[in-house]
Amino acid sequence: GQQVMQIPQYQHVQEGEDFTTYCNSSTTLSNIQWYKQRPGGHPVFLIQLVKSGEVKKQKRLTFQFGEAKKNSSLHITATQTTDVGTYFCVNNNDMRFGAGTRLTVKP
Amino acid sequence: DAGVIQSPRHEVTEMGQEVTLRCKPISGHNSLFWYRQTMMRGLELLIYFNNNVPIDDSGMPEDRFSAKMPNASFSTLKIQPSEPRDSAVYFCASSRNGMTSGQKLFFGSGTQLSVL
Repeated sequence: GQQVMQIPQYQHVQEGEDFTTYCNSSTTLSNIQWYKQRPGGHPVFLIQLVKSGEVKKQKRLTFQFGEAKKNSSLHITATQTTDVGTYFCVNNNDMRFGAGTRLTVKP
Repeated sequence: DAGVIQSPRHEVTEMGQEVTLRCKPISGHNSLFWYRQTMMRGLELLIYFNNNVPIDDSGMPEDRFSAKMPNASFSTLKIQPSEPRDSAVYFCASSRNGMTSGQKLFFGSGTQLSVL
């Protein structure tokens, strides 16, 4: 299956700063999903993006799907300590996870 | 409604021993996935069942690994013989209809396996 690539691998921010993680594919994706895994926990579904150029918001989280459906991003505004965890994008064609971006937040 | 249930939560075994991990998917879900998570390799898809039938097992590392789904409410992942490099967290996840667009995964709490 096609592997989705995520950057950065790690991100450390001060509480209140913004955070963005990017997901890229070499081929067109039918749709993409995002999951969050808290330390010691299991992945939990956040959202699915289907349409080209789609933008969805969940409170301080903004998800975007590229026009070509080959990339996606997750942006968190004004991070909080509760945002700590690893964020994964998932190729819904084969349910294979990207490597994830591990976010740590300094209070 | 109960979520995906995995057992055991923790397993410590010695190299060469057989290990069996168990999963009960959410009732009504007809797709089941086994993943393995390590620091080095991240979350790897091992195998995927749809309606109890293995659809994609290309992620199964080698012949020491086998998975079964004898019915809609139970699946096992077996490692025989186990090796230290099999140490990882093994997750089971289920969804209503596999890789159909829009089907999100529900994960169990995982089994932390340590092979000494």
